[in-house]
Amino acid sequence: GNSVTQMEGPVTLSEEAFLTINCTYTATGYPSLFWYVQYPGEGLQLLLKATKADDKGSNKGFEATYRKETTSFHLEKGSVQVSDSAVYFCALTSTNAGKSTFGDGTTLTVKP
Amino acid sequence: GAGVSQSPRYKVAKRGQDVALRCDPISGHVSLFWYQQALGQGPEFLTYFQNEAQLDKSGLPSDRFFAERPEGSVSTLKIQRTQQEDSAVYLCASTQGRTNEKLFFGSGTQLSVL
Repeated sequence: GNSVTQMEGPVTLSEEAFLTINCTYTATGYPSLFWYVQYPGEGLQLLLKATKADDKGSNKGFEATYRKETTSFHLEKGSVQVSDSAVYFCALTSTNAGKSTFGDGTTLTVKP
Repeated sequence: GAGVSQSPRYKVAKRGQDVALRCDPISGHVSLFWYQQALGQGPEFLTYFQNEAQLDKSGLPSDRFFAERPEGSVSTLKIQRTQQEDSAVYLCASTQGRTNEKLFFGSGTQLSVL
């Protein structure tokens, strides 16, 4: 079956530091890949997505590239802000299945 | 509505009690999903509807769990004879059409079974 593995947290960074959160996956076929973010007290919301190999998703300074050869979708940001403190979830949806499969989430705390 | 609405926000139940959780998706969204999220983990799929049809219920953990969406909009997740292991946040999400689109999540119902 499908699975998503995220790097374990929590991750604590200083403001303006570089961020990488690793995500690898196992799936049949050609899944779409997503990063969702959950800010404190709020519901999950889509951060970015990529639907085919070599696609790069980007939003709010965050980027992730769909790497089929390494089955990865690592999240990166060049300079984090305090407001980026949240829980980040990597997820995939197979083309022939309705459901999404999520990783366990990585908690990011950015200190001023 | 403006977003996916779930109620109640919090629910405390005594073990053995039946509970019903409501989800009101974004107006016009065809697909509706229920997920269960345990503390410190990612959402786990429970079931999926396209309009009123329940297309996948493979994630429901036991026959105590039942979901319906009779008119293709509002959905209810019912848990009978609740157990302590049912304690979790129950998330509802909807998408406009095809399933590979992004999910719009509600804020969830936090269920605590004592």
